[in-house]
Amino acid sequence: AQKVTQAQTEISVVEKEDVTLDCVYETRDTTYYLFWYKQPPSGELVFLIRRNSFDEQNEISGRYSWNFQKSTSSFNFTITASQVVDSAVYFCALSEATNSGGSNYKLTFGKGTLLTVNP
Amino acid sequence: NAGVTQTPKFQVLKTGQSMTLQCAQDMNHEYMSWYRQDPGMGLRLIHYSVGAGITDQGEVPNGYNVSRSTTEDFPLRLLSAAPSQTSVYFCASSYNDYNEQFFGPGTRLTVL
Repeated sequence: AQKVTQAQTEISVVEKEDVTLDCVYETRDTTYYLFWYKQPPSGELVFLIRRNSFDEQNEISGRYSWNFQKSTSSFNFTITASQVVDSAVYFCALSEATNSGGSNYKLTFGKGTLLTVNP
Repeated sequence: NAGVTQTPKFQVLKTGQSMTLQCAQDMNHEYMSWYRQDPGMGLRLIHYSVGAGITDQGEVPNGYNVSRSTTEDFPLRLLSAAPSQTSVYFCASSYNDYNEQFFGPGTRLTVL
């Protein structure tokens, strides 16, 4: 089973539409971290957000918002009023301890969602 | 700050050749890692390091070696390149192993 599932392989919207990118994760740890990264067509990876497992507060940053729900193991990302510049591949990632001692964490990425925003 | 730098940006190898992908960071980060990105697969962890002199294997370590003699540098060595190693390679660094990682621009490697 995948540790991080991004069920939407590709999404296409028209500019100004709202769009939600889904992320479901799987872990047995009580302490873990969730991330979203953006990879625009130029190829670089851009950090968007980090959330620890003890903080379920939703976060808003401009047109971006994130909904973290431990009950459903989901960490969804919503872009409000999408713009062409939002076109990119978006990755959700999970960082969890590699051993019972919890001294090392490894980052596992989902396979990504390609978002295309059309003018 | 240059952040995370990677060289080369592009490389073509023949099967069986060896090479080293260079990665350096100037942020004094303890944690560094290497990922490969293949179409439809996301990024997969190859090797990582939590500090100078300490390295460990990730999800797909076979065919790759790493060492970490300094905090700044974390080279990735391909011992005997195979076509299956054709990929885009990203190096990343972070303050520690659970903080956000800063990625280099990537190296596109083709093995013929």
